[in-house]
Amino acid sequence: AQSVTQPDIHITVSEGASLELRCNYSYGATPYLFWYVQSPGQGLQLLLKYFSGDTLVQGIKGFEAEFKRSQSSFNLRKPSVHWSDAAEYFCAVGAGLYGQNFVFGPGTRLSVLP
Amino acid sequence: ETGVTQTPRHLVMGMTNKKSLKCEQHLGHNAMYWYKQSAKKPLELMFVYNFKEQTENNSVPSRFSPECPNSSHLFLHLHTLQPEDSALYLCASSPTSGKGAETGYTFGSGTRLTVV
Repeated sequence: AQSVTQPDIHITVSEGASLELRCNYSYGATPYLFWYVQSPGQGLQLLLKYFSGDTLVQGIKGFEAEFKRSQSSFNLRKPSVHWSDAAEYFCAVGAGLYGQNFVFGPGTRLSVLP
Repeated sequence: ETGVTQTPRHLVMGMTNKKSLKCEQHLGHNAMYWYKQSAKKPLELMFVYNFKEQTENNSVPSRFSPECPNSSHLFLHLHTLQPEDSALYLCASSPTSGKGAETGYTFGSGTRLTVV
């Protein structure tokens, strides 16, 4: 079965600094990969997804992620963080014939200092 | 507003109460999901419905009873819950369960449930 790890439970960055959130997955084939963001008291919003093609994918809110098969990673990046980016970020893997078996990572909480 | 609406936003219930959570989507999706989000734990898939049929029950205790009368509505009926059932319950939808991976899920804002 697939699994997802997000090594960082909590990250703090200063506003305007760059950001990288790590995600590693375990799956025998090429998975479907996602990043979601959850603001306090809200549901999850899809930031971006990858399942084929260019390994660098662009998402909403200025985020991007890079799929690295050799490292089983799908790290999320943003060149300049805004205070409104403070939230919980979840990496997810979809596996199975249609990627229908979703597994979410434990999440990384991002705090942004003014 | 994501297109998936959950009510109520907050619910406090006693262990002997019976209550229901409601989820509604008008995105034209045919798959709907219930997830449980507890503090310090990953999101847990509870149930999957595809075209009104339940296709997955992830070993959820029988005190949680889902109902999907049509592709736009999903309910979670609750009875004799335990304090450890306190959590954020999230509803999600996708075009079909088979297309969920290609499109990602659309989530509602959740119902914060507290069992006292």
